[in-house]
Formats: sequence, C-alpha cells, structure tokens
Amino acid sequence: NAGVTQTPKFQVLKTGQSMTLQCAQDMNHNSMYWYRQDPGMGLRLIYYSASEGTTDKGEVPNGYNVSRLNKREFSLRLESAAPSQTSVYFCASSPSFDEQYFGPGTRLTVT
Amino acid sequence: GEDVEQSLFLSVREGDSSVINCTYTDSSSTYLYWYKQEPGAGLQLLTYIFSNMDMKQDQRLTVLLNKKDKHLSLRIADTQTGDSAIYFCAERGMNTGFQKLVFGTGTRLLVSP
Repeated sequence: NAGVTQTPKFQVLKTGQSMTLQCAQDMNHNSMYWYRQDPGMGLRLIYYSASEGTTDKGEVPNGYNVSRLNKREFSLRLESAAPSQTSVYFCASSPSFDEQYFGPGTRLTVT
Repeated sequence: GEDVEQSLFLSVREGDSSVINCTYTDSSSTYLYWYKQEPGAGLQLLTYIFSNMDMKQDQRLTVLLNKKDKHLSLRIADTQTGDSAIYFCAERGMNTGFQKLVFGTGTRLLVSP
C-alpha cells in the first residue's frame, strides 16, 4: 500500500515549456486535490476532484489544468510555465469529507 | 474568502511544552485539523477536533478550541527534537465549501537540546 505517489520529485522548466505532474493513490479514495506550497503562504488549493469524472477550481487555478483520469489518478498540467509557478506541488486524496492524505511533493523551478 | 492565521515561528527547549496557536474566520467551521510537515515531506495529519468539542487529548497532544473567539491551539507536552517541523492548522466548513480545507501559513517549531 503505497498511499499517494507523485512524479516527478523534482523538475526544472524554462518559461513557456509545458509539463504534467502525475498523482496516483491506491486507497480507493473518492476525492483528490492539488495544492501549491509557497514560503509564508501555506498551502493553496489549485484544483480538486470530489469524485471520478468531476473537477472544480480551487483558490489559484489560473495557468493550470487537471484531469481525473480514473479513480486512482489525478494529473496537473502546466501548459505554458511561468516563473510565478515555481513552487512545491502536493497531491492529496480523501475518502470523502475526511482526513486528507498527502503525497511527498514535486519541487518545480521555472527559469 | 475565509482565512486561517498562525504565527510563523516558535522555538522551545527539549522537555518543555510547546503551544502553537491558530485563529480562523469561518463561522461555519465544522472540523479543525493539525497537520505536521517534516523537511522534504508531505503533510501528515496529527489530530483533529469537531467544532462541538472544547478539548481533545491524544497522548502528548492537547487541542483546545475556543469557538467563540475562533481560536485553536495545539499543545505538545515534553517536546522532543523529533517534533521540530512545520505545523499547519486547517479548517473545513460550509462557507469554504465543505469538501475543501483552508490551511494556515504554518508555524515552524524548532526544538533545541
């Protein structure tokens, strides 16, 4: 039981490049989330998926897109990376209205 | 939108008690959480409290909730160097969309020997 896994762990992009951050959970959870963590700002919700087939915007969705591929997988895409998207990205999952389980994070630098 | 605030830094000596404070604005808050983040890792749930409770104790951890003042605290008894981490307060309520958590900025706890 691996919990929540994220790939890659580290990534460096040039401005304008695109990439997809992958997240998978093996706990059969309904809900999945993408956050970004910036110094002094805590965690801010980018997008979430309450159940397979649904996605909703969070607090800071601009510049991102998501796909809930199936119940296990929830990906985050940056279509044209900007330096302001330099951050640590966390994926989380939750059975329902309950505790969230976090992945180890992806550290992204955009130059 | 709703807000959760924490002080940024706390330093204590090993063996002392640590108290980390949090204030929130969501009057509809139903669940309040404390998460711990160790260096280079994701967040792990430490404990949570329902809004109809005043206190919850779990081994070395004591959570106090003052719903009138919208104030939450986490007390760690006999603090150890392994408790050094960032601690996040989070809340869930109807005003924030019940499926979402709102996190504070985190309090970095440094425990010195």
